[in-house]
Amino acid sequence: GNSVTQMEGPVTLSEEAFLTINCTYTATGYPSLFWYVQYPGEGLQLLLKATKADDKGSNKGFEATYRKETTSFHLEKGSVQVSDSAVYFCALTGQAGTALIFGKGTTLSVSS
Amino acid sequence: NAGVTQTPKFQVLKTGQSMTLQCAQDMNHEYMSWYRQDPGMGLRLIHYSVGAGITDQGEVPNGYNVSRSTTEDFPLRLLSAAPSQTSVYFCASRDDRGYGYTFGSGTRLTVV
Repeated sequence: GNSVTQMEGPVTLSEEAFLTINCTYTATGYPSLFWYVQYPGEGLQLLLKATKADDKGSNKGFEATYRKETTSFHLEKGSVQVSDSAVYFCALTGQAGTALIFGKGTTLSVSS
Repeated sequence: NAGVTQTPKFQVLKTGQSMTLQCAQDMNHEYMSWYRQDPGMGLRLIHYSVGAGITDQGEVPNGYNVSRSTTEDFPLRLLSAAPSQTSVYFCASRDDRGYGYTFGSGTRLTVV
C-alpha cells in the first residue's frame, strides 16, 4: 500500500540556518505529494504541493521537488525564521485522488 | 468564511459514554474524511465519504461510526468511549480535482 516516511525530529535550528526535512514515499502509479504545516494549537495548513514528476512546489520560501527516480519530496528552506517553528507533515494521495496518507510529522524548533 | 467547521473544540468523556463530533463544510465538497492525530503517529484515517449516502473505513475505524446524510455534514460517533480514543480529531474535505484538502481546526478529546 501507499506510505510516507519522513525524518524523525525534533529538528532544532538557529534563525537563518538552512532547513532540510527528508521525505520518501511508496506508492503505485503517480501520486500527488504535499507538505502540510501545523502551528502550535492549530489545524493543518497546506504548505505546498506537486502533482507530477519533476514539479517543484514552493510557498513562503519553502520548496520541494517531486523526484520519481528517488521517490522523494524533501522540504527545504534557505533561511528559517523563529515563526517557522511548527510540525511539518509530508503526505500523498494515490492516483485516484482518494485519502491523504501522512508521514508521522517532523517538529521544527527555530531559536533566535 | 468558507471552510470546515468542527465542534466542539474540547471534550472530556468518561469511559463508556457516547458522543458525536460534528463536522460541516460549506464548499460543496463531495469528499470528506476524519483523521485522528496521536503523538509520534502522524494523522491516521478513520472513515471517509465520497458523497452523501456513501461511507467507507480507513486505517483505524474500530470504535467509530459515521454517516453522510447531506453533502455538508459528516459527523463522527463514538458509541462507547475508551481511553485509547483520547486524541485530537480532524475533519477534512476535498475539492473535485482531488488536490485541495481543507482541514478543520480539530477537536481535542480526552477519555478518562
